[in-house]
Amino acid sequence: EVQLLESGGGLVQPGGSLRLSCAASGFTFTTYAMSWVRQAPGRGLEWVSGISVSGVTTYYADSVKGRFTISRDNSKNTLYLQMNSLRAEDTAVYYCAKDLSKLKAFDIWGQGTMVTVSS
Amino acid sequence: QSALTQPASVSGSPGQSITISCTGTSSDIGGYNYVSWYQQHPGKAPKLMIYDVSNRPSGVSNRFSGSKSGNTASLTISGLQAEDEADYYCSSYTSSPTLVFGGGTKLTVL
Repeated sequence: EVQLLESGGGLVQPGGSLRLSCAASGFTFTTYAMSWVRQAPGRGLEWVSGISVSGVTTYYADSVKGRFTISRDNSKNTLYLQMNSLRAEDTAVYYCAKDLSKLKAFDIWGQGTMVTVSS
Repeated sequence: QSALTQPASVSGSPGQSITISCTGTSSDIGGYNYVSWYQQHPGKAPKLMIYDVSNRPSGVSNRFSGSKSGNTASLTISGLQAEDEADYYCSSYTSSPTLVFGGGTKLTVL
């Protein structure tokens, strides 16, 4: 079964850090680009970051550039999102998603992990 | 990168057809054939319904179709069913390069 399983969400204070993980299974992780997409409570989808197959090329939304870092470990079939200098507006469900091709479309989504930034 | 523009809500009766529009710019929708559409039911992860403007992934009903003209893309759902009631989001590759979503459209089946 094709599956993405996120973990690492939780409650963090403003200015704090958190690292999200996304474990992939059921497909050849090493041949697909990946992305993170978030959804604030009651709001729409927002693309956050993407990464190439090799991990060499990364892409970020302006809202997180300089604060978030996307990476992947192809030996572990795992995608990561390091989030620093967190703000209240980063509060959202974070989904990892398998990319059909570089930033074109996401055909497999995880169930999401909730990140709450609050004091 | 500004979000793509979608109507906040649309509605239709069972059996009818509806169309959801998604308007961008020449730097996203108008410049590339990489428009996708997603369906999201409450509390669930999004599901890909259309990619590359008009292609349906395996398993998606042929009642769903997509098109594009200039800077505007459209999703049409024919033969509306109760299960189609959900939020729908468009997305597009951009020149930055990044990806941008629309604000979402709530579809109500009357």
